[in-house]
Amino acid sequence: GDSVTQMEGPVTLSEEAFLTINCTYTATGYPSLFWYVQYPGEGLQLLLKATKADDKGSNKGFEATYRKETTSFHLEKGSVQVSDSAVYFCALTRNFGNEKLTFGTGTRLTIIP
Amino acid sequence: NAGVTQTPKFQVLKTGQSMTLQCAQDMNHNSMYWYRQDPGMGLRLIYYSASEGTTDKGEVPNGYNVSRLNKREFSLRLESAAPSQTSVYFCASKAGGLSDTQYFGPGTRLTVL
Repeated sequence: GDSVTQMEGPVTLSEEAFLTINCTYTATGYPSLFWYVQYPGEGLQLLLKATKADDKGSNKGFEATYRKETTSFHLEKGSVQVSDSAVYFCALTRNFGNEKLTFGTGTRLTIIP
Repeated sequence: NAGVTQTPKFQVLKTGQSMTLQCAQDMNHNSMYWYRQDPGMGLRLIYYSASEGTTDKGEVPNGYNVSRLNKREFSLRLESAAPSQTSVYFCASKAGGLSDTQYFGPGTRLTVL
């Protein structure tokens, strides 16, 4: 079945550091890939997505590129801020069937000033 | 425009009690989902509804029932709560068709003693 593996946390960085959170997936066909973010006490919000190979999703300074050859969708940001502290989830969905999201286990990111 | 709303935000039950979690969306979405979030496990799909009048099981349906009351509302019922159902529950909705983005509610934190 489908699965998503993401970098174990927690991750702690200093403000303005470079961020990478690794995500790899297993799925047949051509899934859509997502990064969702969960701020403390809140639900999940879509951060960015990519729907086909070589697409780059971007939002709020975050980027991720859909790499079919390595089945990866790593999240990057050049200079993190304290306000980026949250839990980040990588996920995929098939574009047929029940179209449910398959999530990774989440990576907790803490940015210290 | 409230998006996806869930009630209650918090609930404590005793083993064997029943309750219904409510979810409503005002985006005219066709598909709705119930997930549970447990530490170290990401989110897992409990039930989903592809359209009004239809419901189907997800990965972890045991101990739950759902009702798609109308296009807006999708409720989750625990008939006889167990401690293993202690979790955070999220409702999500999606437009359907070619749209692949799910929008999440703020969650319900349920504790079963």
